[in-house]
Amino acid sequence: DAEITQSPRHKITETGRQVTLACHQIWNHNNMFWYRQDLGHGLRLIHYSYGVHDTNKGEVSDGYSVSRSNTEDLPLTLESAASSQTSVYFCASGTQWNEQFFGPGTRLTVL
Amino acid sequence: AQKITQTQPGMFVQEKEAVTLDCTYDTSDQSYGLFWYKQPSSGEMIFLIYQGSYDEQNATEGRYSLNFQKARKSANLVISASQLGDSAMYFCAMDSSNTGKLIFGQGTTLQVKP
Repeated sequence: DAEITQSPRHKITETGRQVTLACHQIWNHNNMFWYRQDLGHGLRLIHYSYGVHDTNKGEVSDGYSVSRSNTEDLPLTLESAASSQTSVYFCASGTQWNEQFFGPGTRLTVL
Repeated sequence: AQKITQTQPGMFVQEKEAVTLDCTYDTSDQSYGLFWYKQPSSGEMIFLIYQGSYDEQNATEGRYSLNFQKARKSANLVISASQLGDSAMYFCAMDSSNTGKLIFGQGTTLQVKP
């Protein structure tokens, strides 16, 4: 089984809809992160969490939210999807500062 | 401001030769970490190598080594004996203050020629 999974892998939605992207890791890592990747911008941090019930805003958090009810999962919610949120989304996790492992990514298209 | 700069949008290398991918960083923190990731055309992000700011030795992982020059604020990735499978996008990233929050450069596309 993959150590960190994301679902769905591909999603097409309409402007204004709520969308939730799932991230699940099996390592019991305390630290989990969501990034988005756009052409010309590399990856940018959306939200992150250092443990259960802890969530923090990253560089590009507007329009996104996360919740951490257990160690394994950090779902990312787009409250009202916008075309500017069309992107590839990566979840990552780690327990030491010298490691951060990424999931396979979710390609989201907002029409 | 904390920033990562990768000045080479694209690079070519002949198979079996070594190649250096450049990365410079800017931070005022004393404690930080530098990462390199590989992103093949399939899209996943693969961790390659890590260097801590207090590490005295340059990091090495198999054919990957990190040429860390603290005074110059550079953290170049050296790939020895390039293989066709090394063709990919490579990202340099920094964790300033050891918070886990990575700042990424814009990446360098490497193409290995047979």
